[in-house]
Amino acid sequence: NAGVTQTPKFRVLKTGQSMTLLCAQDMNHEYMYWYRQDPGMGLRLIHYSVGEGTTAKGEVPDGYNVSRLKKQNFLLGLESAAPSQTSVYFCASSLFGMGNEQFFGPGTRLTVL
Amino acid sequence: GIQVEQSPPDLILQEGANSTLRCNFSDSVNNLQWFHQNPWGQLINLFYIPSGTKQNGRLSATTVATERYSLLYISSSQTTDSGVYFCAVPENTGFQKLVFGTGTRLLVSP
Repeated sequence: NAGVTQTPKFRVLKTGQSMTLLCAQDMNHEYMYWYRQDPGMGLRLIHYSVGEGTTAKGEVPDGYNVSRLKKQNFLLGLESAAPSQTSVYFCASSLFGMGNEQFFGPGTRLTVL
Repeated sequence: GIQVEQSPPDLILQEGANSTLRCNFSDSVNNLQWFHQNPWGQLINLFYIPSGTKQNGRLSATTVATERYSLLYISSSQTTDSGVYFCAVPENTGFQKLVFGTGTRLLVSP
């Protein structure tokens, strides 16, 4: 039982490049989330999903897209990376709603030059 | 929205000491989580505790929802306890996003 996993762990991009972060969970959770963590800003919700095939915007969705084609996977895409997207990205999941216990992945450290 | 404040902001302990971390929240909540973010950045679940008291080894937590606070107790601290401790509660409105506290940075020295 791996819990929540994220790939890659680290990535460096140049401004304008694109990339996809992959999150996978093996707990059969319905809800999945993408957060970013920045110094002094805490964790902020980017997008979330309430089930396979669904996505919704969180607090800071601009510049990101997501997809949930399979229940166990939640992908976060950056189409044209900007230096402001330099951050640590965390994926999380919960059995049902956001108020349920959320379990976090190990994080992806992204630097955009 | 709900405000979540933690105290103290920073704490330095000698190995073996005990400590109490506090989390205050400004509105009624249905649940509360405590996390430990270790020096490698991983967020580790400690407790999911809407009310009452739970214990896990050297750690225990108490939430008094009616008085809008939660406490995390660390006994016989070890250097591996170092890191940042967050509490988090869901907002009661909108999509009920998880609101994280300001964090307590703990350093346990040998």
